Amino acid sequence: DTEVTQTPKHLVMGMTNKKSLKCEQHMGHRAMYWYKQKAKKPPELMFVYSYEKLSINESVPSRFSPECPNSSLLNLHLHALQPEDSALYLCASSPSVIGEQFFGPGTRLTVL
Amino acid sequence: AQRVTQPEKLLSVFKGAPVELKCNYSYSGSPELFWYVQYSRQRLQLLLRHISRESIKGFTADLNKGETSFHLKKPFAQEEDSAMYYCALRGFGNEKLTFGTGTRLTIIP
Repeated sequence: DTEVTQTPKHLVMGMTNKKSLKCEQHMGHRAMYWYKQKAKKPPELMFVYSYEKLSINESVPSRFSPECPNSSLLNLHLHALQPEDSALYLCASSPSVIGEQFFGPGTRLTVL
Repeated sequence: AQRVTQPEKLLSVFKGAPVELKCNYSYSGSPELFWYVQYSRQRLQLLLRHISRESIKGFTADLNKGETSFHLKKPFAQEEDSAMYYCALRGFGNEKLTFGTGTRLTIIP
C-alpha cells in the first residue's frame, strides 16, 4: 500500500460535539503531519510527529488534540470547535522529517 | 522565519506555449525548495525538489540563491498541465514545510 488514507472524507459537526479524524499509512514512514487548508489558501502546518512523538505544534488551539498511537496511525481529536475551524484537514507522511511528504486526500470538516 | 511568495494567483497559457510559474523565497539559512501540484479532484503531490535536479513531466526548476528564486518552467504547455501549483520551502535539517499561496495554471486549447 503506497498511499496515505484519511477517514472520514466529509464531517459535519456542531460546536459542542467531539469527533476524530483518522489518518493511516503503511509505507513504513516515521514522520506524520497534520495540515489545515482553508478555501483558496495553501496548506498550513499544524502538527508534526516523528517516531510517534510530537515534535512540532504550530501554536494550535487546544480544541485540536493530535494522537499517534503507532507508527502507521495518526488521529486528530476535535472538541468544542468553532465555525472558523471549517476547512480541509490534510494528513501527510514521510520516511523521516527531512524526506518527501506524501499527502492524503483530506477530510472536509464543516462546523455548524 | 521562512516565507514563500508566488506572485501570480492565476496564469493562463496557450497549449504549446512556454510556461513559467514564479516562486521567490525568504530564508536565512540553507533552503530546500519544492514544487507541489494538485490536479482537479486529486491529492497534493510532489512534482519537483531542487536537490534531485530531475525533470518531471517536462517541468524543470533551478534554485537561484542570488535572486532567491525557484521558478518552474516547461517549454511546451500541455492541456493536462492545468492544475494548482504550490512552491514550498523547508530549511535543511528543519521539519517545517512552508507553502506559497499557489498559482492556478490553466492551459488554453
